[in-house]
Amino acid sequence: QKEVEQDPGPLSVPEGAIVSLNCTYSNSAFQYFMWYRQYSRKGPELLMYTYSSGNKEDGRFTAQVDKSSKYISLFIRDSQPSDSATYLCAMSTGNQFYFGTGTSLTVIP
Amino acid sequence: KAGVTQTPRYLIKTRGQQVTLSCSPISGHRSVSWYQQTPGQGLQFLFEYFSETQRNKGNFPGRFSGRQFSNSRSEMNVSTLELGDSALYLCASSLVLAGELFFGEGSRLTVL
Repeated sequence: QKEVEQDPGPLSVPEGAIVSLNCTYSNSAFQYFMWYRQYSRKGPELLMYTYSSGNKEDGRFTAQVDKSSKYISLFIRDSQPSDSATYLCAMSTGNQFYFGTGTSLTVIP
Repeated sequence: KAGVTQTPRYLIKTRGQQVTLSCSPISGHRSVSWYQQTPGQGLQFLFEYFSETQRNKGNFPGRFSGRQFSNSRSEMNVSTLELGDSALYLCASSLVLAGELFFGEGSRLTVL
């Protein structure tokens, strides 16, 4: 079993839709939770960084962590074509990072 | 502030050859990590260096090695290349060990 599981998609939504991206994990030692966005032929860039259970909002993006269920989510409101990318979840014990395989998202104008 | 710089961006090698990839971290960052990214496996951790010392290592064979210099620049080397080594190799720097990661654009290696 992988440390982090992420549905690879692909996910295709119309512009303006709400997007929900999810990851599950098995290691209860994970303390830090992140979402990265990766455009084609580019390196991943950090979108959201959370430490505890609960919600964190940044503009159109909301990260949600449920440690009891070992489940994290990223919501994108009012999705734009520029949001089309691969989204990677990542988790850390404080010693090492573990990444999901990424979900490919396309927002159709 | 300049980001993480990786060279070369693209390279093609044949089986059995060796390759060296270079990474210059963000100024002031002392930790450099390397990852292998493939479509099926996602990002796989190779190793992390901090103050010229390897602090952490992933589950890769000994053909994969790295080092860090006193200016925090890092190199990774893959010897006796195999077809399965074809991947995007990403370098990430952080201010502290296991801190927030900032990625470069990667070096895309194709092994023929």
